Amino acid sequence: ETGVTQSPTHLIKTRGQQVTLRCSSQSGHNTVSWYQQALGQGPQFIFQYYREEENGRGNFPPRFSGLQFPNYSSELNVNALELDDSALYLCASSLGRQNTGELFFGEGSRLTVL
Amino acid sequence: AQTVTQSQPEMSVQEAETVTLSCTYDTSENNYYLFWYKQPPSRQMILVIRQEAYKQQNATENRFSVNFQKAAKSFSLKISDSQLGDTAMYFCAFMKQEYGNKLVFGAGTILRVKS
Repeated sequence: ETGVTQSPTHLIKTRGQQVTLRCSSQSGHNTVSWYQQALGQGPQFIFQYYREEENGRGNFPPRFSGLQFPNYSSELNVNALELDDSALYLCASSLGRQNTGELFFGEGSRLTVL
Repeated sequence: AQTVTQSQPEMSVQEAETVTLSCTYDTSENNYYLFWYKQPPSRQMILVIRQEAYKQQNATENRFSVNFQKAAKSFSLKISDSQLGDTAMYFCAFMKQEYGNKLVFGAGTILRVKS
């Protein structure tokens, strides 16, 4: 069984740039969620995709957008990067849209915005 | 909106001893789930234990158990026979029953197990 993988693991961008983060869900999982974890804080829900459609969004501006592909992998795109976007971005997969909350996380993509 | 509070930023415990991590939450919902997730250094976050709010019985998973006090909105994690591999950041999390997979996390507690 293949776990959740994320790429890249680390990246550095400058303010105003755009970034794309990628996630491959665990085999058999059709739901992907993205979380932002700032340093010293708990993860915050960005949005969730179920069968290629957005299924819920947290309190993040529209410059945070995403996609889910037919193979259930996903991308997180952030435009017009700001310094506060520096964080660990976690992808989590699960089976089904309304399960009992067990998420399978990747190791994350650490984004630094200078 | 739901909030989750972990009042202990850091804890330490000697190997083989017992430690309890605290968590309180605020919600007006009646049906929800509570979780403890573990995030080891530079490794994936994994689920430790889950509690359904409608169940009065406290959940247990091997050395891990919870004390769920619904009226007090308290959800503490007890780790018995602590092991070096338990060293990690521990997050308490809340999920409304109809909001699959959308977890609200606390700020976390760093647990260090000392030999």
